[in-house]
Amino acid sequence: EPEVTQTPSHQVTQMGQEVILRCVPISNHLYFYWYRQILGQKVEFLVSFYNNEISEKSEIFDDQFSVERPDGSNFTLKIRSTKLEDSAMYFCARGGGVSGGSETQYFGPGTRLLVL
Amino acid sequence: TQLLEQSPQFLSIQEGENLTVYCNSSSVFSSLQWYRQEPGEGPVLLVTVVTGGEVKKLKRLTFQFGDARKDSSLHITAAQPGDTGLYLCAGEGNAGNMLTFGGGTRLMVKP
Repeated sequence: EPEVTQTPSHQVTQMGQEVILRCVPISNHLYFYWYRQILGQKVEFLVSFYNNEISEKSEIFDDQFSVERPDGSNFTLKIRSTKLEDSAMYFCARGGGVSGGSETQYFGPGTRLLVL
Repeated sequence: TQLLEQSPQFLSIQEGENLTVYCNSSSVFSSLQWYRQEPGEGPVLLVTVVTGGEVKKLKRLTFQFGDARKDSSLHITAAQPGDTGLYLCAGEGNAGNMLTFGGGTRLMVKP
């Protein structure tokens, strides 16, 4: 099955700036996820999104983070005021089923975010 | 908090050798997924195992899910240089769909 696409592939920003990362999945999938991977560390779960609502979020996903699906297609992750420690690869993933029930997650190529 | 421990962290072997990567936890997972990740790219799914005791084969790769659904292994037979990469296991929790990832096993197969 095809994966999701993500834009941009790379983003460099100044500390304190807002960034928006985009994920373009197949429109009839209902489950979407954001993960991040700090260089040299484990992939970490941020948030899951089902039927246009957040269904789970981790401790990392604090008030600086938000997700939405503004046009029913693109799925975005916004970081309101970036910190140096937000520098990481951010991966979008979609669930395997059209009707829900993830079991298998398919990952996008990632966005490399560098906060200076 | 669910944790997945992968071992070994690094493995360097000669072409043609066999190897096994382990993924262990004290928690039960509803499913377990194995991925391969190249530098600077997203994890690419290899297999999903769901049933305790399940064994799945993908060419020279054999994946097993423990009977209690707390552990899994990946066995590669007659490794080739093309198998070089980072292998990740990830467990789906019973309470939700989020994946908990292991730390990865970096495999190098020398010709």
